[in-house]
Amino acid sequence: GQNIDQPTEMTATEGAIVQINCTYQTSGFNGLFWYQQHAGEAPTFLSYNVLDGLEEKGRFSSFLSRSKGYSYLLLKELQMKDSASYLCAVRDGDKLIFGTGTRLQVFP
Amino acid sequence: KAGVTQTPRYLIKTRGQQVTLSCSPISGHRSVSWYQQTPGQGLQFLFEYFSETQRNKGNFPGRFSGRQFSNSRSEMNVSTLELGDSALYLCASSLNGYSYEQYFGPGTRLTVT
Repeated sequence: GQNIDQPTEMTATEGAIVQINCTYQTSGFNGLFWYQQHAGEAPTFLSYNVLDGLEEKGRFSSFLSRSKGYSYLLLKELQMKDSASYLCAVRDGDKLIFGTGTRLQVFP
Repeated sequence: KAGVTQTPRYLIKTRGQQVTLSCSPISGHRSVSWYQQTPGQGLQFLFEYFSETQRNKGNFPGRFSGRQFSNSRSEMNVSTLELGDSALYLCASSLNGYSYEQYFGPGTRLTVT
């Protein structure tokens, strides 16, 4: 079957680094997305990984290991505005499967 | 470039009624997808329309239906509403399909009483 796992909630302190993990078991794999969703708002695209390794984009980085069915989103120098849900989604052929999301709370 | 718009933003309906939600994609995008989001289930895929044809479908009952018009605008209809249909309904548009980068609208918050 298709399964994507993320922690439900995480907390961190302003200025710190946090890593949000995503593990997946899907019949196929063509790439992995990370989306950010602030409460009451629409999800917005953060990153897309299709090859193994780390992709860095400012304070945010995303890592993929296809052999392990594993990805993580790394947020550095956390800011209060980073408090949001982070959704992992796997592309399998022309289908897209979302995880249930990780709610991150950043405290001062 | 204008973003994805959804109307209405909030809706309250009674069990047994039906509802129609509307979504206007980003200009030039031919793919429109619909999602249901609830606290317990997360973001669940309903269906995707591409150039007026339903291309992909999630695991929702036939009470959930949709269509896409020639200008790419899309509507979603839910008939015989149930309490469990209370959710945020998100629409997303994409240039090449929903399994590519998508741009989400603000959503329609549906409450069924």
